Amino acid sequence: AQSVTQPDIHITVSEGASLELRCNYSYGATPYLFWYVQSPGQGLQLLLKYFSGDTLVQGIKGFEAEFKRSQSSFNLRKPSVHWSDAAEYFCAVATLNTGNQFYFGTGTSLTVIP
Amino acid sequence: NAGVTQTPKFQVLKTGQSMTLQCAQDMNHNSMYWYRQDPGMGLRLIYYSASEGTTDKGEVPNGYNVSRLNKREFSLRLESAAPSQTSVYFCASSTLAGLTDTQYFGPGTRLTVL
Repeated sequence: AQSVTQPDIHITVSEGASLELRCNYSYGATPYLFWYVQSPGQGLQLLLKYFSGDTLVQGIKGFEAEFKRSQSSFNLRKPSVHWSDAAEYFCAVATLNTGNQFYFGTGTSLTVIP
Repeated sequence: NAGVTQTPKFQVLKTGQSMTLQCAQDMNHNSMYWYRQDPGMGLRLIYYSASEGTTDKGEVPNGYNVSRLNKREFSLRLESAAPSQTSVYFCASSTLAGLTDTQYFGPGTRLTVL
C-alpha cells in the first residue's frame, strides 16, 4: 500500500541552526512528492514539490528537498532556521497508477528556540 | 482575493444530526478537495472533484457525501453525524484537474460531535 512516513513527531532546533525533516514514502512508481507547512490555526501552504528531473528542488522561504529514489526519501532541509519557521510540516505523495489518491504523512512539529 | 473560504468556522452537533460544510474558491480552479485532520494522523482525503460535475472517493469517504455545486463551490455533507467524525475539516482547490497540482487550503472548520 502507498504511504508516507515522517519518523520524527517533534523536533526542536535553535534559531540559526540547520534543519532536516525526514520523509519516506512507499510507492512502486515514480511518486509526485510535496512538502506543506501549517502554522498554528491555519490551513496548509505548499513549500515545494517534486515530479521529475533535478532531484534537488528549491522551495519558498529558503527550504529545499532532495529526492533519493534508492532510499525512498524526500527530506526537507533549511540551512538556517528562523523563529518564524516554527510550525507543523507535512510530507505528501500523489499516486496515480493504482487509483488516484493523495496521502499526507502524520507531520513533524518544529519548535525553534532563541 | 479571498482564496478558499469555508463556513462555518466552528460547529457542535449531537450524534445523529446532519449538517453541510460549505467551501468556495474564487481562483477559477478546476479541482477541489475535502480533508479531515485528526491529532497524530495528518490529513486524510475524504473526497475530491477533479472538475465540475465529477467527484471521486478519497481514503476515508464513509459517512460523507459531497456535491460539486458549480466550479466555485464544493460542499461536504454529514447525513448522520457520529463522534468519530469529530475533526478539523479542510477544503482545498487546485488549478489543474487531478492530484498533482499545488493545493490551496482554506482555514478549516472545527467540528465536534457529542
